[in-house]
Amino acid sequence: NAGVTQTPKFRILKIGQSMTLQCAQDMNHNYMYWYRQDPGMGLKLIYYSVGAGITDKGEVPNGYNVSRSTTEDFPLRLELAAPSQTSVYFCASSYPDRVLSGTEAFFGQGTRLTVV
Amino acid sequence: GQQVMQIPQYQHVQEGEDFTTYCNSSTTLSNIQWYKQRPGGHPVFLIQLVKSGEVKKQKRLTFQFGEAKKNSSLHITATQTTDVGTYFCRHGYIFGTGTRLKVLA
Repeated sequence: NAGVTQTPKFRILKIGQSMTLQCAQDMNHNYMYWYRQDPGMGLKLIYYSVGAGITDKGEVPNGYNVSRSTTEDFPLRLELAAPSQTSVYFCASSYPDRVLSGTEAFFGQGTRLTVV
Repeated sequence: GQQVMQIPQYQHVQEGEDFTTYCNSSTTLSNIQWYKQRPGGHPVFLIQLVKSGEVKKQKRLTFQFGEAKKNSSLHITATQTTDVGTYFCRHGYIFGTGTRLKVLA
């Protein structure tokens, strides 16, 4: 059972370039999330999705876009990369339940992105 | 928006000493989750608390949920070097600010 798989693991981008961070889960979870974690800091929610075709902004959505065409995949798109987007990006998923009633989130290994 | 604050931000302890981190909210929480993130790793779920005043134990770790469901704590008895990492609480989509624990051998 692979769980949550993120690709790539590392990436260096030049300012102004674009890229897509891939995230796939094989646990049939409805809820998926993208977080960013700056060095020595906490996790900030970028976007989340409660099911295929449904996405919503989190705490720090500016400069990012997402789509959710299938239950399994939740790619994160960076347009016009900026140095402020240098961070570690984590994708997570959780069981189909009302989020505020709480279910365990499973995390991918992360993508370390540097924008130079 | 909702904020969940954690204190302390950092804690250095000698191996064998106890450690406690606190998670505080200005609003009532329906539940609280705790995660551990090892250096260079990803967050890993530890436990979820749902009931007012709930206490759960996992070996040397004790988790509490306040009576008013506005705060929670994680206590580690007799820390070991394997306890090193950052401990986060989480409610809904939002993570607390985290407490980074260093254990000195």
